[in-house]
Amino acid sequence: AQTVTQSQPEMSVQEAETVTLSCTYDTSENNYYLFWYKQPPSRQMILVIRQEAYKQQNATENRFSVNFQKAAKSFSLKISDSQLGDTAMYFCAFMKHAYSGGGADGLTFGKGTHLIIQP
Amino acid sequence: EAQVTQNPRYLITVTGKKLTVTCSQNMNHEYMSWYRQDPGLGLRQIYYSMNVEVTDKGDVPEGYKVSRKEKRNFPLILESPSPNQTSLYFCASSPSGGRNTEAFFGQGTRLTVV
Repeated sequence: AQTVTQSQPEMSVQEAETVTLSCTYDTSENNYYLFWYKQPPSRQMILVIRQEAYKQQNATENRFSVNFQKAAKSFSLKISDSQLGDTAMYFCAFMKHAYSGGGADGLTFGKGTHLIIQP
Repeated sequence: EAQVTQNPRYLITVTGKKLTVTCSQNMNHEYMSWYRQDPGLGLRQIYYSMNVEVTDKGDVPEGYKVSRKEKRNFPLILESPSPNQTSLYFCASSPSGGRNTEAFFGQGTRLTVV
């Protein structure tokens, strides 16, 4: 079974600053996917960024980027030039690759980090 | 528009009164699943379905039932709700047997059992 750990229950930064959210995971799988989801006050789950474990290059999406360290099983999210609209819960999640075998699995989530962007 | 639709969005019920939360997706996805979200615990999988008539337990299945008679629908049934099932529930769907891609989430259902 997989576990995902987010060690920062809450973080607060000033608008325009850069912030990094940490995530570590534990798995015996070699092929998998990692995700960061954003949950604003509307409660909608919004995919922020996705990383495939077999790709060494870190994924980026505009102001969002990850630092994926496969050997260390670490997957942190960096938000540059933070904006008030970035205030939300952020969840790190793990999914096994289709060809990993074994039973079907969905997403395994961390407990979340509540990010507050101060004006 | 591609979407996952849950109903109702909000529900307050009494202990023991059977209820169903519906979930429908219009993307022809094979894989569907239900999660519950509780403060400090993140999201945990309740049940999932790989395809029509194929369902299985997730991490926290006690007190819940599901069915998958049609590809697009995956209702969550609480036969005898209890206060510890008060939670925020999400339905999600994805193609390719649940792997290789991200999940698409419904808007969530806030359930309160009194």
